[in-house]
Amino acid sequence: SAVISQKPSRDICQRGTSLTIQCQVDSQVTMMFWYRQQPGQSLTLIATANQGSEATYESGFVIDKFPISRPNLTFSTLTVSNMSPEDSSIYLCSLRQGGTGELFFGEGSRLTVL
Amino acid sequence: KQEVTQIPAALSVPEGENLVLNCSFTDSAIYNLQWFRQDPGKGLTSLLLIQSSQREQTSGRLNASLDKSSGRSTLYIAASQPGDSATYLCAVTGANSKLTFGKGITLSVRP
Repeated sequence: SAVISQKPSRDICQRGTSLTIQCQVDSQVTMMFWYRQQPGQSLTLIATANQGSEATYESGFVIDKFPISRPNLTFSTLTVSNMSPEDSSIYLCSLRQGGTGELFFGEGSRLTVL
Repeated sequence: KQEVTQIPAALSVPEGENLVLNCSFTDSAIYNLQWFRQDPGKGLTSLLLIQSSQREQTSGRLNASLDKSSGRSTLYIAASQPGDSATYLCAVTGANSKLTFGKGITLSVRP
């Protein structure tokens, strides 16, 4: 199974600021995924991060609000920009293992915006 | 559009009980189905993955079954323990590689 390290694990931020979440994996993967889980809700896919190309965003999510970097095959960042209390969520990165298609997740970054 | 339903949303059982968690999905054209565990405020831990060609998978006290034709999967937990208390989510990967999550079942195992 893949090992995914995500940081920060949690943070409390002020409205209007931005926060960058980092995701490091222990193996090379082509696609990494960023999810949001709002309080009491299930997971919603924000975007797919491809190495060497622009991220692909899902409906309702835009690059200006959630810029993503993917500089190499083991690392990605998600920035939550100009935060508001509605951005308070757990943000998770994940990858799909080749072959089986099994999905693995990081420990999540719990973000609270005041 | 695939919809994944997990009912009930919450379940409380006494320690030692065998229990079944249900997951239903509307589109049977799936690639695989995966069960996850999530502790409060944490990420998801993969429990079991069932490919579309499989009927069940087992890991320790956990057994997951898949019936594609009826659009159902069950997660069976034998001899439940307080440490099993968590939220259990099922997720379906469609033939188009799109992943759809259920809302999860929050399980509480009482000592």
